[in-house]
Amino acid sequence: DGGITQSPKYLFRKEGQNVTLSCEQNLNHDAMYWYRQDPGQGLRLIYYSQIVNDFQKGDIAEGYSVSREKKESFPLTVTSAQKNPTAFYLCASSIGASGYSTDTQYFGPGTRLTVL
Amino acid sequence: GESVGLHLPTLSVQEGDNSIINCAYSNSASDYFIWYKQESGKGPQFIIDIRSNMDKRQGQRVTVLLNKTVKHLSLQIAATQPGDSAVYFCAEGGGYQKVTFGIGTKLQVIP
Repeated sequence: DGGITQSPKYLFRKEGQNVTLSCEQNLNHDAMYWYRQDPGQGLRLIYYSQIVNDFQKGDIAEGYSVSREKKESFPLTVTSAQKNPTAFYLCASSIGASGYSTDTQYFGPGTRLTVL
Repeated sequence: GESVGLHLPTLSVQEGDNSIINCAYSNSASDYFIWYKQESGKGPQFIIDIRSNMDKRQGQRVTVLLNKTVKHLSLQIAATQPGDSAVYFCAEGGGYQKVTFGIGTKLQVIP
């Protein structure tokens, strides 16, 4: 089956620890994205990558880092610098690397991160 | 389940009735619009999209209407079923602008 996978589904972290969320896709999509979802708010873009070995900050990149060493993978690290990391994190991908936002984004199942 | 649905507008409909979910978008330059469905604890699923050169598009049991004059988008679900219960949100994009997502509306189907 083609799709986007995220792991783990639930993640618990102590304050002061870094944690890495996994996102893998086998859709052969060039572009990948990380969003954060909080109650009562629309999705907010953390980072995105239009092509391997390149990525750009989104609206709320502070306290997060990413890498894009492979087309299929776009892991997100939530660092201890992120002041309010408890949230639902969603990874998405889209077909094009053109930068056009008319390529539909398809989402993974999400990772729920809770800081204890 | 997830708390995604907290503080969202809620629409309650009887099973078998039609549902209409509305979305006001903000950017008059947007020319691409998408509706997503998100069930509790899951990632959003693509439902249907529409481009600005159209004012209506139909899918299986769903219709999206676009009114560019008042920057309004709606999703109509025919013969609503219990499995349609979810949060629905719209997204707008176009050109090189970033896609922006609405807060969403929670649809509750009453059996």
